[in-house]
Amino acid sequence: EADIYQTPRYLVIGTGKKITLECSQTMGHDKMYWYQQDPGMELHLIHYSYGVNSTEKGDLSSESTVSRIRTEHFPLTLESARPSHTSQYLCASSEAGIGGRETQYFGPGTRLLVL
Amino acid sequence: GESVGLHLPTLSVQEGDNSIINCAYSNSASDYFIWYKQESGKGPQFIIDIRSNMDKRQGQRVTVLLNKTVKHLSLQIAATQPGDSAVYFCAENFQGAQKLVFGQGTRLTINP
Repeated sequence: EADIYQTPRYLVIGTGKKITLECSQTMGHDKMYWYQQDPGMELHLIHYSYGVNSTEKGDLSSESTVSRIRTEHFPLTLESARPSHTSQYLCASSEAGIGGRETQYFGPGTRLLVL
Repeated sequence: GESVGLHLPTLSVQEGDNSIINCAYSNSASDYFIWYKQESGKGPQFIIDIRSNMDKRQGQRVTVLLNKTVKHLSLQIAATQPGDSAVYFCAENFQGAQKLVFGQGTRLTINP
């Protein structure tokens, strides 16, 4: 069982506001990920990190940014929220396994509604 | 590029019956596969994994079958219960891959 946490769990915010979604894990995992997901739909990778000071953009273009200053912490920031950002945001972490194979463990998600 | 997809977006089964959820993948280099279960309002939860040197792996009430010849993966759930209602995702990885590739997802609903 993985220990990965996300806050807030739910957020309702007005257009134009800056928000930061928090993600932390206590397992010392090197890799961390952010996914965007509409309810019951596919997972879209928007950012990932291989370790401290490493961040990469994912498969889905996103107006968000991330940082990785500490191993356990991988926050995601939206500088100016818009209604199109309304979605669920899932954070995950994994250990770098042999040959790149890995198992990702997910947090509970943050459900964002931008009015 | 590689892709992972599911044949059916929804599956309905009677409580107590066995469920079979399918997944097709296109990358013949994929050698590690995972099934995740996502309940409403929660993040995906690891169920079971399998490496390509195996054809079958069993867990508690779940079995994953891998057919590398036709690049097909399935998740079998025995004696389906109401708590099995969720969206199920398959994911694949291969040596040197930077990240997992997730499939579309299948919603499993249980009829009483």
